[in-house]
Order: sequence, then structure tokens, then C-alpha cells
Amino acid sequence: GDSVTQMEGPVTLSEEAFLTINCTYTATGYPSLFWYVQYPGEGLQLLLKATKADDKGSNKGFEATYRKETTSFHLEKGSVQVSDSAVYFCALSEGGSARQLTFGSGTQLTVLP
Amino acid sequence: DAMVIQNPRYQVTQFGKPVTLSCSQTLNHNVMYWYQQKSSQAPKLLFHYYDKDFNNEADTPDNFQSRRPNTSFCFLDIRSPGLGDAAMYLCATSRGGTDYEQYFGPGTRLTVT
Repeated sequence: GDSVTQMEGPVTLSEEAFLTINCTYTATGYPSLFWYVQYPGEGLQLLLKATKADDKGSNKGFEATYRKETTSFHLEKGSVQVSDSAVYFCALSEGGSARQLTFGSGTQLTVLP
Repeated sequence: DAMVIQNPRYQVTQFGKPVTLSCSQTLNHNVMYWYQQKSSQAPKLLFHYYDKDFNNEADTPDNFQSRRPNTSFCFLDIRSPGLGDAAMYLCATSRGGTDYEQYFGPGTRLTVT
């Protein structure tokens, strides 16, 4: 079945540091890929998405590129802020009209001032 | 603003005492999902409704039931909560068909005493 493997956390960075959170996936077809962010005590918010190979999703300074050849969708940000501290989930959806999401295990990011 | 609303945000119930969690949406989406998220884990899909069609995940315990009386509302019923059912319960919606983006509510944190 489908699966998502995420870089284990927690990750602690200083403000303005470069961020990479690795994500690889296994799927039988051509999934859509997502990054969700969850702030403490809140639900999940869609951060960015990509629907086909070589697409780049971007939002709020975060980027991720759909790499079919390496089955990866790594999240990057050039300069993190304290307000980026949250849990980040990589996810995929594939097939079916309801398009269920399969999530990775999540990566806790803490940014220190 | 169109949104997904979950009530209550925090629910305490006793071991074995039935509890109902509520989700409503103003997006007029066709699909509504219920996820269970235990501490430091990824959300796990319990079931979803596509319009009135109910779709249960294979490993969802029988203790969990759901109702969708109309497009806007969906309920999660836990018939006999155990200590292991303490978790954050997330409701999400999507338009369905070719529009697969899921919108999440803030979640209900369930405590079982």
C-alpha cells in the first residue's frame, strides 16, 4: 500500500537558518503530494501541494518539488522564523473520489530566537 | 468565512460512557472525514462520508460509529470509550471528485477518565 516516510525529529534551528525536512513516498500510481503544518493545540493547515512530477509547491517562503525519479517531496525554507515552530506532516493522496490522505509520522520543528 | 467547525474543543468522558463529537462545515463539501490523532503521531483515518455513502477503514474499531444527517453536519460516536481512545479527533472536508484538497477543523481533544 501507499506510505510516506519522513525525516525524524525533533529538529531545532536558530532563527534565519536553512530548513530541510526530508520526505519520501511509496505509491502504486501517480499521487498528489502535500505538506501540512500543525501548530500547538490546533488542527492541520495545508502548507503547499504538488499534483504532478516536477511541480513545485510554495507558500509562506516554504517550497517543495515533486521528484518522481527519487519519489521525494522535501520541504525547504531559506530562513526560518520563530513563528515557524510547529509539526510538519508530509502526505499523499492517490486514487478514488474521496482521495484519502496517507500521512508521514510528522516532524517537530523548533526555531530558537 | 467558510470553515470547518468542531465542538467541543475539549471533551472529558468517563470510561465506558458514550460520547459524541460534532463537526459542521460551511463549505458545502461532499466529503467529510474523521481522523484520530494520538500524541506525537500522524492522523489516522477512521472513516469518511461521500455524500451519504459511508466508508469505514478496515482497521477502525466497531466502537467507533459515525452519522451524517445532512451535508453540513457529521458526528463521531464512541460507544464505550476506553483509555486508549484518548486522542485528538480531527474532522476534515473536501469537495470530492477531482478537487481533493482537504480542509481541517481545529480538532476535539478527548480525555477518558
